[in-house]
Amino acid sequence: GAVVSQHPSRVICKSGTSVKIECRSLDFQATTMFWYRQFPKKSLMLMATSNEGSKATYEQGVEKDKFLINHASLTLSTLTVTSAHPEDSSFYICSATTDMNTEAFFGQGTRLTVV
Amino acid sequence: GIQVEQSPPDLILQEGANSTLRCNFSDSVNNLQWFHQNPWGQLINLFYIPSGTKQNGRLSATTVATERYSLLYISSSQTTDSGVYFCAVERYSNSGYALNFGKGTSLLVTP
Repeated sequence: GAVVSQHPSRVICKSGTSVKIECRSLDFQATTMFWYRQFPKKSLMLMATSNEGSKATYEQGVEKDKFLINHASLTLSTLTVTSAHPEDSSFYICSATTDMNTEAFFGQGTRLTVV
Repeated sequence: GIQVEQSPPDLILQEGANSTLRCNFSDSVNNLQWFHQNPWGQLINLFYIPSGTKQNGRLSATTVATERYSLLYISSSQTTDSGVYFCAVERYSNSGYALNFGKGTSLLVTP
């Protein structure tokens, strides 16, 4: 199956700082990448969808100025949590789909803790 | 939007037992996937199954698209099967097509 790598797997940052999370498709070109957020013992909630070379599209209620998404190439998308606050602490997971079909493959996730 | 309901929410099995997890969805879908989330949070693809039946080792899945449900069968369960099983269906959102997840079934397999 297709491999998606997410980095870092765990990050602790101070309140007010920014954190960048990378999502890479290692063995395929991902025209579309997705960012999800998961709270403890909860399901995954879609935050935004990004297509290579175009602006990300955000779900209702997701602050685009808080969560900056860049999809600069067919193998890399980044999520930057700007001016992080403790309420931004969560598990963030990216996924990617290929052109062949709509099966989605997920990265390992990033556990963000803002102190 | 499309609703995805999974049952049961929690399940405890003794090693060696079989189980069936269910996923109901409220509208027709182009894509349905089953995932296993391990204790470290990684989502493992189990099945891409918009319709029909597939088998992979001790796991199999059946989706009856016309009746809007999917079943995941786990046979001869092992402790390593523990974790959360998610069903996700493709839906149209603000950003195009994306997966909409159910709330999951939390499975614990005891020795």
